[in-house]
Amino acid sequence: EDKVVQSPLSLVVHEGDTVTLNCSYEVTNFRSLLWYKQEKKAPTFLFMLTSSGIEKKSGRLSSILDKKELFSILNITATQTGDSAVYLCAVVRGSQGNLIFGKGTKLSVKP
Amino acid sequence: NAGVTQTPKFRILKIGQSMTLQCAQDMNHNYMYWYRQDPGMGLKLIYYSVGAGITDKGEVPNGYNVSRSTTEDFPLRLELAAPSQTSVYFCASSWAGLTGVYNEQFFGPGTRLTVL
Repeated sequence: EDKVVQSPLSLVVHEGDTVTLNCSYEVTNFRSLLWYKQEKKAPTFLFMLTSSGIEKKSGRLSSILDKKELFSILNITATQTGDSAVYLCAVVRGSQGNLIFGKGTKLSVKP
Repeated sequence: NAGVTQTPKFRILKIGQSMTLQCAQDMNHNYMYWYRQDPGMGLKLIYYSVGAGITDKGEVPNGYNVSRSTTEDFPLRLELAAPSQTSVYFCASSWAGLTGVYNEQFFGPGTRLTVL
């Protein structure tokens, strides 16, 4: 059965800390991996990763994919209270674009 | 450009009632999806559509029906509501080209449904 596993499930840090969120997957017909941020409403898109070893960056956030070991990490440097959210990892399976989601990592950033 | 819109935002149903959750997108996306999200869980795919007139089941389709008569609209129908259908429902859309190149999904604001 296809699955996406995120760890840790929750994390509490202080402002300025650096965090690493993990996502491992076992999905047939893998197409790409996506990261979303969810703040009590709709998920908002962060990154899409298709190739191994190519880091994607946006400000303080970065992500990389390892298709050999079947995992991805999302790094957030110099965390701010506005980074508090649930971070969802999802894998695109097949040509229909269906997403298999992990349960998410709940990040709380304390001032 | 409103993106993906969903109505209603909240709804309480009694067991056995039926309702339709509305979803519309104005981005001319060909692919549309319905997900449900239970507390502490990721999203699970209910149904999806790759174009007008074409729909298919996702992971958890039981108790739901969909139709796609236009590119813009993708309503989700709940027949004979049950407490197990209490959840937050998200509609999403994306564009996929003929070569199968896939782009990210854009999500609507969600509908919070409670069945009592």
